[in-house]
Amino acid sequence: GQQLNQSPQSMFIQEGEDVSMNCTSSSIFNTWLWYKQDPGEGPVLLIALYKAGELTSNGRLTAQFGITRKDSFLNISASIPSDVGIYFCAGVYNFNKFYFGSGTKLNVKP
Amino acid sequence: GAVVSQHPSWVICKSGTSVKIECRSLDFQATTMFWYRQFPKQSLMLMATSNEGSKATYEQGVEKDKFLINHASLTLSTLTVTSAHPEDSSFYICSARIPTSGISGEQFFGPGTRLTVL
Repeated sequence: GQQLNQSPQSMFIQEGEDVSMNCTSSSIFNTWLWYKQDPGEGPVLLIALYKAGELTSNGRLTAQFGITRKDSFLNISASIPSDVGIYFCAGVYNFNKFYFGSGTKLNVKP
Repeated sequence: GAVVSQHPSWVICKSGTSVKIECRSLDFQATTMFWYRQFPKQSLMLMATSNEGSKATYEQGVEKDKFLINHASLTLSTLTVTSAHPEDSSFYICSARIPTSGISGEQFFGPGTRLTVL
C-alpha cells in the first residue's frame, strides 16, 4: 500500500512559536487532508487541499499541496496551549483510498 | 454540518462475546463509510470500506468473518466484533465521506469507540 512519511514525530514548543510539519510520499495523491486528534476522540478535519500548489489557510493554520503532488506541509502560527494534540496528514488516492501519516504529536508549553 | 456519531463510546466485554458498534451520519447521507482501528500512539489503520447496500471491502489482513460490517442505510453502518478476544481491544473509529462532484470527498470522523476485552 501507499506509505506516508510524516515528520517530525513529536514537537515540544513554547507558546507563541510557529510550528511546521510535513508529509511526503513516493506516490501521487489527488487530495491532501490535515486532521487533529485529541486524546480519546476521533480526528477532526482542519484543512483540505485539492490542487497541486494550492495554499490554504484556516485561521492560524496554513497548509500547502506540494507541486509534485507527493507532499504537503502544515504550519501553525503563534501556537497556543489548545493546539496540543496529534496532527495527521492523509493522502487520498483514486478518490476513495485514504492513507494516513503516522502523526505528529504537538506539545505546547504555556 | 457533517457530524458523525458513534455508539457506544466505550465498551468492556468478556472474551468470547460479540460487540456491535454503530456509526451514524447525522446530517448527511453517506454512501460510503470507513472503519479504522487505532492502537495507542499509532496512526489510524483502515480496516474496511463500507458501501451502502453492498458488501464491505476489507483491507488485506483483516478477517471479514471476525469483523462483520453492515451498511443497511445511507446513515448507518455497523461493525460487529465477533467472539472478541483481548487482542481485539483497541480504539475503533468510523468515518463517512461526503462525495463532492468531480473531486475527492473529505472524510469526517466519529468520536471513536474504546473496546476493552477482558
